[in-house]
Amino acid sequence: LAKTTQPISMDSYEGQEVNITCSHNNIATNDYITWYQQFPSQGPRFIIQGYKTKVTNEVASLFIPADRKSSTLSLPRVSLSDTAVYYCLVGALLSGGYQKVTFGTGTKLQVIP
Amino acid sequence: GAVVSQHPSRVICKSGTSVKIECRSLDFQATTMFWYRQFPKQSLMLMATSNEGSKATYEQGVEKDKFLINHASLTLSTLTVTSAHPEDSSFYICSARVEGRGEKLFFGSGTQLSVL
Repeated sequence: LAKTTQPISMDSYEGQEVNITCSHNNIATNDYITWYQQFPSQGPRFIIQGYKTKVTNEVASLFIPADRKSSTLSLPRVSLSDTAVYYCLVGALLSGGYQKVTFGTGTKLQVIP
Repeated sequence: GAVVSQHPSRVICKSGTSVKIECRSLDFQATTMFWYRQFPKQSLMLMATSNEGSKATYEQGVEKDKFLINHASLTLSTLTVTSAHPEDSSFYICSARVEGRGEKLFFGSGTQLSVL
């Protein structure tokens, strides 16, 4: 499984764009990059997933360079409710297989009014 | 869609008792579920992979006789903490992969276990 490295914490003011970068130097060919958000005392929630290039949905964008050794989660115009821990996961849940998914340290984002 | 329901959300028990935590997939079938535990201000730690109809696969250092996992149907996996001790107090979370929904996991809301 590809090990991931993220900043432990980040602070941002409300209304700003936040970019959280994750390093995964030994990502495998079949691996996807997935980001989850977790609030205290809740289970993680899926944010976005990508394999290569750029992916955008209603809440975030995910930028993946050609070598796929890193990825950047971009949250536009954050609000106080975006204060949470963000996890970058790299792996593949193969159909019919049981490849496990393990979490790294995550990035604690604190949004400041 | 893809809702994972986990119960109870919070449980307090006496030392030496057993506690069962249920994880249900409400609108899909889950052949595989994962169980995690999380201590305060720490990341999720994978405990075991629960496979429907077969024995669970435990991570190194996780006592399979203490943390009993049963995945008897495609919609239900249970984690039983046997003879609980205060050091077992933690936040337990289950998750499942949804067939056809890509390489993503859906998580339950978690169970906060407090052993007195």
